[in-house]
Amino acid sequence: GQQLNQSPQSMFIQEGEDVSMNCTSSSIFNTWLWYKQDPGEGPVLLIALYKAGELTSNGRLTAQFGITRKDSFLNISASIPSDVGIYFCAGYTGNQFYFGTGTSLTVIP
Amino acid sequence: DAEITQSPRHKITETGRQVTLACHQTWNHNNMFWYRQDLGHGLRLIHYSYGVQDTNKGEVSDGYSVSRSNTEDLPLTLESAASSQTSVYFCASSESRAGTGSSFFGQGTRLTVV
Repeated sequence: GQQLNQSPQSMFIQEGEDVSMNCTSSSIFNTWLWYKQDPGEGPVLLIALYKAGELTSNGRLTAQFGITRKDSFLNISASIPSDVGIYFCAGYTGNQFYFGTGTSLTVIP
Repeated sequence: DAEITQSPRHKITETGRQVTLACHQTWNHNNMFWYRQDLGHGLRLIHYSYGVQDTNKGEVSDGYSVSRSNTEDLPLTLESAASSQTSVYFCASSESRAGTGSSFFGQGTRLTVV
């Protein structure tokens, strides 16, 4: 099946640092989505991107829909302890969703 | 408050048994989805529905079925449980088919097939 390559797999950062993660695919997507999942909970939608080149922010989070429509990036600025969790990208083809394998973020106070 | 709930939260069943996982949402969303989450695979789409009487296969639909008789519920049935179906299952509902706008996941059902 479709694979989204998400990197890095894990990150350990100091509180206050910025974070970048990305997701790439061999296929084109109509929509890119970014989620955060806390232990024992379902994912929570953070940002949705609808067209190539789009740059969207949600507070300290900024995500971009790659121009080729095959990739997306998520940046978190000035990280805080509650940013800890697993971040997933997802691509929507028009009738199917595909998820990346996640980036585990640890923020060291 | 509107919500999406899954039941049970945990279940252990034997190989070969039929199992049904419940998903109920009060958001009045037409679009509902079932995923499984396994280490190393992220979430994978099993089935989805865009409205009452509509069901569609996802990436990993073999061995699973769903039915949509009303807006609120999308039960997931494992016809004959197999050990490979041991996983955490998540239900989701959303305002749009693309999972955008008002969009929520349930808390998950941890299923163990022994």
